[in-house]
Amino acid sequence: AIRITQSPSSLSASTGDRVTITCRASQGISSYLAWYQQKPGKAPKLLIYAASTLQSGVPSRFSGSGSGTDFTLTISCLQSEDFATYYCQQYYSYPGWTFGQGTKLEIK
Amino acid sequence: EVQLVQSGAEVKKPGESLKISCKGSGYSFTSYWIGWVRQMPGKGLEWMGIIYPGDSDTRYSPSFQGQVTISADKSISTAYLQWSSLKASDTAMYYCARLGGEAAAAWFDPWGQGTLVTVSS
Repeated sequence: AIRITQSPSSLSASTGDRVTITCRASQGISSYLAWYQQKPGKAPKLLIYAASTLQSGVPSRFSGSGSGTDFTLTISCLQSEDFATYYCQQYYSYPGWTFGQGTKLEIK
Repeated sequence: EVQLVQSGAEVKKPGESLKISCKGSGYSFTSYWIGWVRQMPGKGLEWMGIIYPGDSDTRYSPSFQGQVTISADKSISTAYLQWSSLKASDTAMYYCARLGGEAAAAWFDPWGQGTLVTVSS
């Protein structure tokens, strides 16, 4: 099974900061990676799919990059509403789709 | 607006059966795969399985094969997740979500609001 290692597990930042979250796959997954945002008590929300395609309605301060084994989610200018937990998901190895362990983004 | 609305929270005893639901609206329910995702308390996301309501083709994550049953009733645009004998370890939030791509390579969007299942004696 393909393992996804997401880092860091938690991150403290301030409004206006630029932050980067990383996911590394144990083997190549082309661009079959999605990113989600989950706020406490809410369902996850899709931000990016195909590694770098921004979902409709998602602010342009979110961006994704990478292919193969290394991927990043960047938030260019943190807003208060961005403090949440972020997950990546690989959908390359069917039926073994897997999510990263999550990154909790907190206010410094 | 594409929307998935799930049934309400459940409290059950170990050994009891349960079926939770997910009703789709705002799109052609029979044309998109629907998946189920588990989130145990304070933990991350786990994909459980998917169903294509058009023909009820169902696929399971190896981790959940034999543990749950996924079904759908296309006449009422509703997918289901069921257990025949619940365990305390089934306590979790369960989400349904529509798949955004082909079944073999897909992300989840949008998501239902979640159904909290609590299993306790």
